[in-house]
Amino acid sequence: NAGVTQTPKFRVLKTGQSMTLLCAQDMNHEYMYWYRQDPGMGLRLIHYSVGEGTTAKGEVPDGYNVSRLKKQNFLLGLESAAPSQTSVYFCASSVALGDSPLHFGNGTRLTVT
Amino acid sequence: RKEVEQDPGPFNVPEGATVAFNCTYSNSASQSFFWYRQDCRKEPKLLMSVYSSGNEDGRFTAQLNRASQYISLLIRDSKLSDSATYLCAVTSNTGNQFYFGTGTSLTVIP
Repeated sequence: NAGVTQTPKFRVLKTGQSMTLLCAQDMNHEYMYWYRQDPGMGLRLIHYSVGEGTTAKGEVPDGYNVSRLKKQNFLLGLESAAPSQTSVYFCASSVALGDSPLHFGNGTRLTVT
Repeated sequence: RKEVEQDPGPFNVPEGATVAFNCTYSNSASQSFFWYRQDCRKEPKLLMSVYSSGNEDGRFTAQLNRASQYISLLIRDSKLSDSATYLCAVTSNTGNQFYFGTGTSLTVIP
């Protein structure tokens, strides 16, 4: 049981390049989330999904797009990367709303030069 | 105003000490509350959920004060392995968003 798996673990992009971060969970969780973590800012929610085929904006959605075509996968896309998107990205999932905690993937370290 | 606020610390305590962290939240309708532990360059991992009546897990005790809108974490008999950053998390009133504090850094000194 792998839990939540993120790929890639590390990536360096040049300004203007695009990329997709993949999150996969094998726990049959309905809800999936993408966060970014920056020093002094804590974890900030980018986008989330409450089920297959649905997505919603979080606190800091600008510059990112997401898709949830399959229940187990949640993709985060950067169409035109900017240095301000240099961060550590965490995917998380939970089985249900409310009392269920988040389970995190091990993160993707992205540097945009 | 931030949804969740934490004292960033750092807290440097000797082994065996008792240490407490607080976390305040702004939305009185928040549904659920959690404490996470994050080691350097790793993902956050659930430490414990926080229930209205308070709950304990070994050396760790979590409390919720809805009237004053804060949660707390007490660590007794600190171990070197407790050194980490502790994040509090609070859900929105709809339960579909989790808001995190910036974390409190703890170092336990031999």
